[in-house]
This record gives sequence, structure tokens and C-alpha cells, in this order.
Amino acid sequence: NAGVTQTPKFQVLKTGQSMTLQCAQDMNHNSMYWYRQDPGMGLRLIYYSASEGTTDKGEVPNGYNVSRLNKREFSLRLESAAPSQTSVYFCASSLGRSYNSPLHFGNGTRLTVT
Amino acid sequence: SQQGEEDPQALSIQEGENATMNCSYKTSINNLQWYRQNSGRGLVHLILIRSNEREKHSGRLRVTLDTSKKSSSLLITASRAADTASYFCVHSGGYQKVTFGIGTKLQVIP
Repeated sequence: NAGVTQTPKFQVLKTGQSMTLQCAQDMNHNSMYWYRQDPGMGLRLIYYSASEGTTDKGEVPNGYNVSRLNKREFSLRLESAAPSQTSVYFCASSLGRSYNSPLHFGNGTRLTVT
Repeated sequence: SQQGEEDPQALSIQEGENATMNCSYKTSINNLQWYRQNSGRGLVHLILIRSNEREKHSGRLRVTLDTSKKSSSLLITASRAADTASYFCVHSGGYQKVTFGIGTKLQVIP
């Protein structure tokens, strides 16, 4: 079982470039999430999708867009990257809502914006 | 915010010793979860304890919950070098927007 798979693992962008981070899960989970992790700040929720066809903003949605392509896939797009978006991005999924179901995480995408 | 506050922020112990980490929160909760993050990896779920439970065990892990003090503790017994990681508590009163604190960084010295 692959669990939650994120691609790419590493990416370097120049300011203003765009990119899409991909996430797929093979556990038939209903909910999916995007977090960013910065030193000394813990993980912050960017967007989440409680079920296929729905998406909602988290704590820090500005500068990002998401697409729940189907039940398996949830992508995160940076339309115009900024140095403040340098971070490690984690995708996660859960069977039910996150407050009652364990979250399963991918291994992250390390993004540097210069 | 639904994040917990872990204490201490860093902990260094010898292999074989027990490690205790604490978590405090401010609102009423449905449950509390603990996660581990090894360096460079995603978080791994360790244990979930519901608000009507006081103690839960999983292998070498013991979690307690005191809702009157709004606190929880994670005890790792007979620690191993492989337990070196950051540990996070997350609690929820029923909101989808669960967030994480900065965690406790545990170092187990062989």
C-alpha cells in the first residue's frame, strides 16, 4: 500500500513562476488536506476537502488554489510563487473528518522560491 | 485555534529511559491525538484518546487525559534511538480545521 503519495519531492522556483503540487491517496479516504510546515511554526492548514467535490479554506489560503480532481487526488497550485511560500508542503488524508479520524500524511514536498 | 501546546519543546534522554511529553489545551474537546514526525518525513498517527477516556496504551506508549486540567501526557517507556522525532498533540472540539503546534523534539541518545 502506497498510502499518500506526493510529487515532486523537491522543487525550486523563481519568484512569479507557477506550479502544481500533486497528491494521491489509495486508501479510499473521503477527506484530504494540504498543510505547510515552517520552522518554529508547526503545521498550518492551507486548504482541505471534506469530500469529493468540496474544498474549503484553512488558516493560510492566500496565494494558493486547490482542486479535488476525484476521490483519490487533491492538488495544490501556486499561481505566482513568492519567497514567503518557501516551505515544506504536506498532503494528508483521513477516512472521515479530521477531528475523529487519524490523518495519514505523505512525505512532503520541499519548495524553495528564490 | 485547535492546536495543543506541547511541553517541553525539546527533550534529550538516554536510550532505555522513559520520555514524558505534555500537552495543554484551552477549549473543550471530543478527542485528542498524538502524532510523531521523524526528520524529513510526514507525520505518523500514534494514538487517539476520547474525552471520556482517562488512559490509553499502545505498545510502549501510554497516553493520559485529564479533561479537568485540560492536559494530556504521552509516555514512551524504554526509549530507543528510533524514537528520536518530534511529537505533536492535536485536539478537536468537533471542527474540521484541526491544526498542529510546534511539538516536542525528542532526542534519544544511544
